[in-house]
Amino acid sequence: QKEVEQDPGPLSVPEGAIVSLNCTYSNSAFQYFMWYRQYSRKGPELLMYTYSSGNKEDGRFTAQVDKSSKYISLFIRDSQPSDSATYLCAMGSYSSASKIIFGSGTRLSIRP
Amino acid sequence: EADIYQTPRYLVIGTGKKITLECSQTMGHDKMYWYQQDPGMELHLIHYSYGVNSTEKGDLSSESTVSRIRTEHFPLTLESARPSHTSQYLCASSESPYNEQFFGPGTRLTVL
Repeated sequence: QKEVEQDPGPLSVPEGAIVSLNCTYSNSAFQYFMWYRQYSRKGPELLMYTYSSGNKEDGRFTAQVDKSSKYISLFIRDSQPSDSATYLCAMGSYSSASKIIFGSGTRLSIRP
Repeated sequence: EADIYQTPRYLVIGTGKKITLECSQTMGHDKMYWYQQDPGMELHLIHYSYGVNSTEKGDLSSESTVSRIRTEHFPLTLESARPSHTSQYLCASSESPYNEQFFGPGTRLTVL
């Protein structure tokens, strides 16, 4: 069983829709959680970083962590065609510094 | 401008060739990483370094080697390339093991 599970998609939604991307994980030792965005032929870039349960908002993006359910989400409001990319969740623990585990990514397409 | 660079971006070579993938960063980060990414799959850590003359193998078994003679430079070498090495290789750096990792654009390697 993978430590981090992420639905690969693809997910296609109309412009302006609210998008929900999710990851589940099995290792309760994970303490910090990240969402990366990766455009085609590019490296991933960090969107959100959080280390506590609850919500963190940054512009149109909201990251949600539920440690009790081992479930994290990324919400995108007012989605734009420029949001079309692959979204990777990632997580790690402070006791295992070298080991950040990435999800396999969800491909998202926003239709104009 | 602080950035992380990878060369070449694309490489097609024959089996048995020796190759070196270059990675350089101008951010002064001590921590550097090499990941392997196949389409629709997770990023797998193959090597990392916490500073000059410090290198460690990651979780994914790899026949590649790395060196860290200068802070800004973290090349990856394959002594004898095989078709199973065909993949995308991503280099990243970070200020600390728990911080955001900055990724290069990747090298897409094809071994015939």
